[in-house]
Amino acid sequence: GAGVSQTPSNKVTEKGKYVELRCDPISGHTALYWYRQSLGQGPEFLIYFQGTGAADDSGLPNDRFFAVRPEGSVSTLKIQRTERGDSAVYLCASSSYRGGEQFFGPGTRLTVL
Amino acid sequence: GENVEQHPSTLSVQEGDSAVIKCTYSDSASNYFPWYKQELGKRPQLIIDIRSNVGEKKDQRIAVTLNKTAKHFSLHITETQPEDSAVYFCAALNNAGNMLTFGGGTRLMVKP
Repeated sequence: GAGVSQTPSNKVTEKGKYVELRCDPISGHTALYWYRQSLGQGPEFLIYFQGTGAADDSGLPNDRFFAVRPEGSVSTLKIQRTERGDSAVYLCASSSYRGGEQFFGPGTRLTVL
Repeated sequence: GENVEQHPSTLSVQEGDSAVIKCTYSDSASNYFPWYKQELGKRPQLIIDIRSNVGEKKDQRIAVTLNKTAKHFSLHITETQPEDSAVYFCAALNNAGNMLTFGGGTRLMVKP
């Protein structure tokens, strides 16, 4: 079956702009996670959804970052007033239940000029 | 919060040799430990995992061991092949089951 998909695969934007990154989890997976991976480092947790609700957003670095999952499937990560330090690969993962195996998408490479 | 340390950061082995990567974690409540393989520009792929109720798990050439008392776990790859070359990440799942904390990664190079 289809795995986790993310769009766009690459996004180049200018400092101060707004961006949206989309994640399509594996069908039927209720748990969805966003991570951020900087060059040469492991992924870092941003936010976790169980169904439609953000159950844990403790990893979001500041209030410029926000994520939604209105129908309990597709999720969108939104970044306002982007900064050069936001440049990274943003990974989405899903699992069939909280605590289950997490399957990752291919990521969106965000570059802020 | 959880802290995961991974060693070595780079590992070079000859084809056919074994490779061992070690990780330590700080939160004794963590109970699930997956290992991911990430090739350049690709997504992390789960290769093996272990839960805290077992000490060892094996899948063909790959095995993982867990020592809960010492809070460390290791990945063992036997009979390495050039296609094993990649970056490997260990991770620990928090007790709430909603957050993986990753190690810094190990770049494995298998020389033919």
